Amino acid sequence: GENVEQHPSTLSVQEGDSAVIKCTYSDSASNYFPWYKQELGKRPQLIIDIRSNVGEKKDQRIAVTLNKTAKHFSLHITETQPEDSAVYFCAAIWANYGQNFVFGPGTRLSVLP
Amino acid sequence: EAQVTQNPRYLITVTGKKLTVTCSQNMNHEYMSWYRQDPGLGLRQIYYSMNVEVTDKGDVPEGYKVSRKEKRNFPLILESPSPNQTSLYFCASSERVRQGINYNEQFFGPGTRLTVL
Repeated sequence: GENVEQHPSTLSVQEGDSAVIKCTYSDSASNYFPWYKQELGKRPQLIIDIRSNVGEKKDQRIAVTLNKTAKHFSLHITETQPEDSAVYFCAAIWANYGQNFVFGPGTRLSVLP
Repeated sequence: EAQVTQNPRYLITVTGKKLTVTCSQNMNHEYMSWYRQDPGLGLRQIYYSMNVEVTDKGDVPEGYKVSRKEKRNFPLILESPSPNQTSLYFCASSERVRQGINYNEQFFGPGTRLTVL
C-alpha cells in the first residue's frame, strides 16, 4: 500500500521568511495530493491540492510542486505570518481506485514574530 | 450551515464497554470516512464509505466497525474498546465521487477525544 513520509517534523521560521515542507510517496499510481492545515485544537482544513497531471499550483502565498518521477511533492509558504503557525499534513491517494487516503505524519510550523 | 457533526466530543470509557461515535453531515455528500489522529502518526484512515451500504477498510480497521444505512450518517462502532484505541477521532465527508475519481476536498468534523481506561 501507499506510504507517505513528511519532513521536517517541526519547522520554525521568522515572520516574513519562507517555509518549505516536503513529502515523498511510495505508490506511483497515486494521482491526487492534498495539503491540510490543522490549527491547535481544531479540525484539519484543505489549503491546496494538486493532481498528477500538473507540476505546480499556486494560491496567493502558498504553492505546491509535484515531481512524479521522484515521487515527491512540496508545500511552499512565502511571507509567513503568525497565523500560518499550525500542523500541516500532506496526503496521497490513487483517486481512481477506492478512496484510501494516506496522510503523512505532519509538520508543526511555528512562525516567530 | 453546511457541516459535519460528531457526538460525543469527549468520552472516557473502560475496556470492553461497547460504544458508538456518531457522525452526520448535511451536505448530501456521498463519501464519508473515519480517521484517528495520534501524536507523530498523523491521520490514519480507519474506514471509508463511497455511498450508502458501501464501506471499505482503510489502513487501521482492526477493532472498529462502521455502517452506512443512510447517506448522512456514518457511525463508528467499537465493540470492545481497548486502551490502544485511546485517540482523537475525526469523521470527514466529501462530494459525490464521479466515475470512481475523487479529487474532492474532505470536510472534517470537530473531532471526538476518546480515552479507554
